[in-house]
Amino acid sequence: SYELTQPPSVSVSPGQTATITCSGYKLGEKYVCWYQQKPGQSPLLVIFQDGKRPSGIPERFSGSNSGNTATLTISGTQPMDEAEYFCQAWESTTVIFGGGTHLTVL
Amino acid sequence: EVQLLESGGGLVQPGGSLRLSCAASGFAFSNSVMGWVRQAPGKGLQWVSGLSGSGDSTYYAESVKGRCIISRDNSRNNLYLQMSSLRADDTALYYCVKYGGGSGSGYGMDVWGRGTTVTVSS
Repeated sequence: SYELTQPPSVSVSPGQTATITCSGYKLGEKYVCWYQQKPGQSPLLVIFQDGKRPSGIPERFSGSNSGNTATLTISGTQPMDEAEYFCQAWESTTVIFGGGTHLTVL
Repeated sequence: EVQLLESGGGLVQPGGSLRLSCAASGFAFSNSVMGWVRQAPGKGLQWVSGLSGSGDSTYYAESVKGRCIISRDNSRNNLYLQMSSLRADDTALYYCVKYGGGSGSGYGMDVWGRGTTVTVSS
């Protein structure tokens, strides 16, 4: 079965750039989405179709996808960005989630 | 306001059944692919099932195939998940989700409910 691999944790200082990766076989040939989940809240879609932002998502969130790796980049990271981030792709009509990455802003 | 409100969760014994419901409002429900995603306590997200707007096409994770049936009532703007032969590893918070586009289109799941908790335990 298809798998998406994320690092368990990433740390970044406020104002710096955070990079979260998501790896999978030929992932670049699939669309990737990213979700943010804060404690006690439902997930929030922050990136769809590799690099597009839904309405209301700050411009500091961006995404890319090539080869075997998709990347979520948060520029000028703010303390409010501290959360769990999940990547997601499709294998045919099956939805696959990565294991999640906890982003710490300190 | 776009909203999804789940209900039907609870405590059930192993081998038991449960029917989850999701009431949708604020968007064109019958035109939307819908689904269920679950999250075990302290764990990540796991997709469970998806259903086309017409209800003709269903999609299931291998872990629930044969034990769950997804359905919808477009006249009532409701989505359902009938779960049977429940196991301890089905214990999770179950989210109702709206797909932003067709399945596999890359639009993601753009609306999430707050979830309903299913606990499978004797």
